[in-house]
Amino acid sequence: DSGVTQTPKHLITATGQRVTLRCSPRSGDLSVYWYQQSLDQGLQFLIQYYNGEERAKGNILERFSAQQFPDLHSELNLSSLELGDSALYFCASSVDKGRLHFGNGTRLTVT
Amino acid sequence: TQLLEQSPQFLSIQEGENLTVYCNSSSVFSSLQWYRQEPGEGPVLLVTVVTGGEVKKLKRLTFQFGDARKDSSLHITAAQPGDTGLYLCAGVNDYKLSFGAGTTVTVRA
Repeated sequence: DSGVTQTPKHLITATGQRVTLRCSPRSGDLSVYWYQQSLDQGLQFLIQYYNGEERAKGNILERFSAQQFPDLHSELNLSSLELGDSALYFCASSVDKGRLHFGNGTRLTVT
Repeated sequence: TQLLEQSPQFLSIQEGENLTVYCNSSSVFSSLQWYRQEPGEGPVLLVTVVTGGEVKKLKRLTFQFGDARKDSSLHITAAQPGDTGLYLCAGVNDYKLSFGAGTTVTVRA
């Protein structure tokens, strides 16, 4: 058990819809990272937050947004969903840079 | 295009055999990490290598970081079915990890 909790585990929704994925980091970890994993793209970095502030941005679409709240949990919002957004979305947390602890992911299926 | 190229993409071997997975890049990294991911779970960190030329051993797993800090290899000796999984390398610079696409290893009993 990594200590990182992601909900929901599975999500099935239709194209054009909006969903919110939630992540609770390990106790004491200030950094939260979001990754997208698909069969053809591998594990792609989306965005990182550190203590409530955005720290780094990767290949995150404009239709996607995230935030980290004062209690350090984070949410990833995906809107105007397309079929190609179907993937596993992972949250990871760390107390120091580079050592990540991953949750078990949210599997998003867009139909 | 992946910043880190892993090879092979798939590897299927018999229990007891040895295997090597490669991770190559044209970029220099401050450190490199190896993760293993099992179905339905997130990646789990196996090791971090920091110094060029560094070799780290974790039981039957040997990790090497290239002298120029651009490439790495993972060697498993006498593989067991429990070694089955997706092996991912990740290059670290500043606050960002860049992952390779992974090598799916299957060890048959």
